[in-house]
Amino acid sequence: SYELTQPSSVSVSPGQTARITCSGDVLAKKYARWFQQKPGQAPVLVIYKDSERPSGIPERFSGSSSGTTVTLTISGAQVEDEADYYCYSAADNNRGVFGGGTKLTVL
Amino acid sequence: QVQLVQSGAEVKKPGASVKVSCKASGYTFTGYYMHWVRQAPGQGLEWMGWINPNSGATNYAQKFQGRVTMTRDTSVSTAYMDLSRLRSDDTAVFYCASPQGDGSGFFWGQGTLVTVSS
Repeated sequence: SYELTQPSSVSVSPGQTARITCSGDVLAKKYARWFQQKPGQAPVLVIYKDSERPSGIPERFSGSSSGTTVTLTISGAQVEDEADYYCYSAADNNRGVFGGGTKLTVL
Repeated sequence: QVQLVQSGAEVKKPGASVKVSCKASGYTFTGYYMHWVRQAPGQGLEWMGWINPNSGATNYAQKFQGRVTMTRDTSVSTAYMDLSRLRSDDTAVFYCASPQGDGSGFFWGQGTLVTVSS
């Protein structure tokens, strides 16, 4: 299927590890990206090719993949990491698809 | 540095069309695809399609087929997204976005709010 499924919300205390999953059949064959979006702002890429981190993204952000599930991990989450997170991939027909988004609360 | 600058907010009546522009600078416009993404108020990101600025080839999400047209003008390094037969549930922020390099770059415009209201 061309759907990506994420939990609607994840909540952690500052300093804890936050894990956000994204599941979908396409992930077995295609790389995923993760975007962070804060209110009123455009999304920002935080992970690409499942586990690569763009320059300028803090090391506490990491990604992993297993079968049809990818996971974004924020080790030692900080208050400023509170945001919506979206996974993204491309289907066989080269059409993009976003997950439904996960609201991360850090408090 | 890469910049994508979009046109300003629009208010349209149901049934009308809207054309949003996205002017690129800081890189070779024809070198990278341009994607368009919709975000309704309080909702998630929705992929609409892409255009290859070099060839003009397009690929649209099935949901928007028949209503969306993506074009480009290479002389001014600008991509356009035209959405027709607007409905109230098309009220959203529309973003252009360009994945670049080995995937490590994914640049976004600032977004354009389109409000559809009678």
